Order: sequence, then structure tokens, then C-alpha cells
Amino acid sequence: QKEVEQNSGPLSVPEGAIASLNCTYSDRGSQSFFWYRQYSGKSPELIMFIYSNGDKEDGRFTAQLNKASQYVSLLIRDSQPSDSATYLCAVFGNEKLTFGTGTRLTIIP
Amino acid sequence: DTEVTQTPKHLVMGMTNKKSLKCEQHMGHRAMYWYKQKAKKPPELMFVYSYEKLSINESVPSRFSPECPNSSLLNLHLHALQPEDSALYLCASSHGQVLNTDTQYFGPGTRLTVL
Repeated sequence: QKEVEQNSGPLSVPEGAIASLNCTYSDRGSQSFFWYRQYSGKSPELIMFIYSNGDKEDGRFTAQLNKASQYVSLLIRDSQPSDSATYLCAVFGNEKLTFGTGTRLTIIP
Repeated sequence: DTEVTQTPKHLVMGMTNKKSLKCEQHMGHRAMYWYKQKAKKPPELMFVYSYEKLSINESVPSRFSPECPNSSLLNLHLHALQPEDSALYLCASSHGQVLNTDTQYFGPGTRLTVL
């Protein structure tokens, strides 16, 4: 079992709709959870982080964490074409950050 | 300012060459990282420096040699690389307290091609 799992996609969402990205992790001792956005050929850019169970909102982005289910998600409201990218879920534990394989998101105008 | 800089942006080298990648941050971060990313794959951790000491080496071949001369600078020395080492090499930094608030910020990367 991979430590951090994501659906690789591609996930296609119409412009203006909500994009929902999901991630599961295997290590129950994981402490913190991050979402990075990566455009093709560029480096990962931090979108959000979350440490506590529940929801955390920042503009159009909402991160949701459920430690009991070992599940973290990212919702993008009012999706824009500029949101088209690969979204990497990353989990911090055992002094290192482990990335999922990423979900490729395409926003359709 | 959450900027991590990396030089060069692109590097092409032969298998017998010796080259170095450089990473710099001025955010007062005390942890710095090297990652390797192949196309369509997630970043893979190579090395972690914490307070200028190597704390994690993810069983990286000795042809990659990291160096942390001071808290702002991180180098990766390359020697006798193989074509399969071609990848995007990413540097990141974080506060370094190894707490759950330790967010990593990435530099733009160096695109390395080994011929």
C-alpha cells in the first residue's frame, strides 16, 4: 500500500463549478497535511495546509481533514481555467514530507 | 518573502563532468531539502539538512553529494551521473523545528539533463 494515495485523474470540471480532490494516507501518526499545486515544468506551490480535524477555508479553497478515516481533501470553488494543474497531497510524519502521485485537474471553459 | 532561489535553471552535463547545483534562502529557515522529480512523478526526498547538519539521506547514490556551508545556502555536487539521473531537482526550505507547523517552500528547480 502506498503511503499517500491520490486518484491520478485527469479530473475535468466545468469553469465555475466545484473541484473536489481527495487523498488518503496510511500512517496514523501523520501530523500535518499539505496541498501543493504544480503547473507543468514548474515547482510545487503551496496552496493550503491543515493540522486539525475539520475544515479550513482560504479564499476559494477549503481543505478538509478526517484523521479517523485517514482522509484529506481539497475543494476548489468557482473553478477557473488557471486552476488547471496537478495537485499534490503531501503528508508530514517521521520527520519527512511524503507526496502522493498527484491529481491532474483540467478546468473546461 | 517566501522565496527560495536555485541556480542554474537548466544544466546539461556529460557522464564524466562534475557540476554543482545551488540553492539559497533568506527567510531564516534552518531546514533545507533536496528533492528529485521525474516527469509525471511526485517529488522524491533525497537529503534533509537541519541546522546545517545532514539529518536524512534517503539512500542516495554517492555520485550526489550535498553540502550546507551555512544556514542560507545548500549545494548539491554532482559527479559521474547517469542518464537516468536526468530530472528536475528541487530545493525546499522550512523553519526547521520539525513541528506540525513546518511548511516547506520550494524553489523553481534545476532541470538537469545527463548525456
